[in-house]
Amino acid sequence: GNSVTQMEGPVTLSEEAFLTINCTYTATGYPSLFWYVQYPGEGLQLLLKATKADDKGSNKGFEATYRKETTSFHLEKGSVQVSDSAVYFCALSDEYTGNQFYFGTGTSLTVIP
Amino acid sequence: NAGVTQTPKFRILKIGQSMTLQCTQDMNHNYMYWYRQDPGMGLKLIYYSVGAGITDKGEVPNGYNVSRSTTEDFPLRLELAAPSQTSVYFCASRGGDSRTDTQYFGPGTRLTVL
Repeated sequence: GNSVTQMEGPVTLSEEAFLTINCTYTATGYPSLFWYVQYPGEGLQLLLKATKADDKGSNKGFEATYRKETTSFHLEKGSVQVSDSAVYFCALSDEYTGNQFYFGTGTSLTVIP
Repeated sequence: NAGVTQTPKFRILKIGQSMTLQCTQDMNHNYMYWYRQDPGMGLKLIYYSVGAGITDKGEVPNGYNVSRSTTEDFPLRLELAAPSQTSVYFCASRGGDSRTDTQYFGPGTRLTVL
């Protein structure tokens, strides 16, 4: 079946530090991969996506590369800001069950000045 | 476009009461979803719909019902509320082309059952 595993949080970083949030997946087909961000009191928003192997999604300084050989989609940012404090969710959508999305448990990030 | 809207934002129910969570989208998306998010957990799919008149169960459908009479609306009905249904409920719709295809989420309804 399909599943997504994210690194456990919470993560606390100082401003301008490097961020990595690990995400690995299991899928029956060739999934599309997503990172969503949830700010306090709000719904999830798409941060970036990749639809095939070796694709790199990027947005707002965040990047993630679709690695089929390691079934991973790790989120990275070179220099985090206080405004990046949020919960980050990795997700997949499989071509065979394309109606459904599968989410990881989320990783809480706090950036301190 | 307003996107996906949900009402109410907050609600407290007593055990055994019923209520309907409203969800409306103005993007003409065929796919719509209901999730629940428990504290410190990811999202669990309750029900989804691939178009008006068509609904299907997700991972945790027990205690809930849905209907989809129009493309825009996808209400979630709780019958006989239980404390285990205390959660934050998110509605989402899905659409876009191959480049932008993703889910769009509403702001959520925080439900407490006492």
